[in-house]
Amino acid sequence: GAVVSQHPSWVICKSGTSVKIECRSLDFQATTMFWYRQFPKQSLMLMATSNEGSKATYEQGVEKDKFLINHASLTLSTLTVTSAHPEDSSFYICSAIRDRGLDTQYFGPGTRLTVL
Amino acid sequence: KNEVEQSPQNLTAQEGEFITINCSYSVGISALHWLQQHPGGGIVSLFMLSSGKKKHGRLIATINIQEKHSSLHITASHPRDSAVYICAVSSAKIIFGKGTRLHILP
Repeated sequence: GAVVSQHPSWVICKSGTSVKIECRSLDFQATTMFWYRQFPKQSLMLMATSNEGSKATYEQGVEKDKFLINHASLTLSTLTVTSAHPEDSSFYICSAIRDRGLDTQYFGPGTRLTVL
Repeated sequence: KNEVEQSPQNLTAQEGEFITINCSYSVGISALHWLQQHPGGGIVSLFMLSSGKKKHGRLIATINIQEKHSSLHITASHPRDSAVYICAVSSAKIIFGKGTRLHILP
């Protein structure tokens, strides 16, 4: 089956630093990847839609200058949390669509970010 | 009212019991996902289905498109099945339920 990986699986950083999270589709090309965030005991919430070769589309309330998304290839999307603050501590999850036009979405295992 | 509703919110059962988790949705969908989230947060995709029924090991997922309802069943439940089970639907965008926290007692 299709596999989506994330790296790192967890990260702890100091306030004010930037953190990059990678999302890779390991055995398929993903034209579209999604980034989600989950705060404790809450549902996953979509942050942005990332399309290969174009700018990401951000959901309302998500700061695009703070959460930089780059989808430079068909197998890799990155989310950079810039100038991270403790309130950015969360669980970040990506997913990838396998086939254009088909609804085959595969989820990564997630990255837990803790900002001290 | 949430567009995706799961029930129950919490479920505690004895090892070996047959488990059913329900998901109802109110929007038109192209697919429904069942996800498993372990205490550490890691998410595993269990099923993606748009009709009928799928089975994988002790897990069975069914969907009734007309009734806008899906169920996830676990047969011969085991403590390692303890996790949060999340229903998500693909509509204009993916919409997640709040999850069902399952605890299987040994």
